[in-house]
Amino acid sequence: EVQLVESGGGLVQPGRSMKLSCAASGFTFNNYDMAWVCQAPKKGLEWVATISYDGSSTYYRDSVKGRFTISRDNAKSTLYLQMDSLRSEDTATYYCARHGSALGMDAWGQGASVTVSS
Amino acid sequence: DIVLTQSPALAVSLGQRATISCRASQSVSISRYNLMHWYQQKPGQQPKLLIYRASNLASGIPARFSGSGSGTDFTLTINPVQADDIATYYCQQSRESPPTFGGGTKLELK
Repeated sequence: EVQLVESGGGLVQPGRSMKLSCAASGFTFNNYDMAWVCQAPKKGLEWVATISYDGSSTYYRDSVKGRFTISRDNAKSTLYLQMDSLRSEDTATYYCARHGSALGMDAWGQGASVTVSS
Repeated sequence: DIVLTQSPALAVSLGQRATISCRASQSVSISRYNLMHWYQQKPGQQPKLLIYRASNLASGIPARFSGSGSGTDFTLTINPVQADDIATYYCQQSRESPPTFGGGTKLELK
């Protein structure tokens, strides 16, 4: 069974950093691109970043470029999102997802809640 | 960015057909591939892929869900609607980066 389990969320002050992790199991992790998608409270889904299967390519939405870094450790089957210079508008639930461009995002974690507030 | 437009809500009766639409600001089709996908999200849960490439049923999804469309206009159909289908439905395009989602359509009971 494909499983994605996020960890690392919580309350953080504006301007500070936080790192999310997503542990994958049940599939060959290094065969798949992976993504982070966020959802602000009571709002819709918003793509944040994608990393290629081997980590050689990364893509970001404009609002997080230069502040967020997506990475992966294929030996540990784990995806990461390093979030720096956090802003109140980054408050959201962050989901990791298996991302096949032509196949949609076919597996999702349960989400990690991030609240940016003083 | 490609903007996807969905109606905010749709009211249906159990056992009836629900048709949810998604319109893209530009074509999301490449040759024979229609790069539009549909997701279901229930309150407090993560999204679940229902349909990929406009009309392909994802693994484990009941056959009462179907998708159609090409170019800029796409439809998700649920027939017949069951109580378990009450949720918010999102379309998402992967034709161009960044991948974008529609605003979601909340399916409600009439």
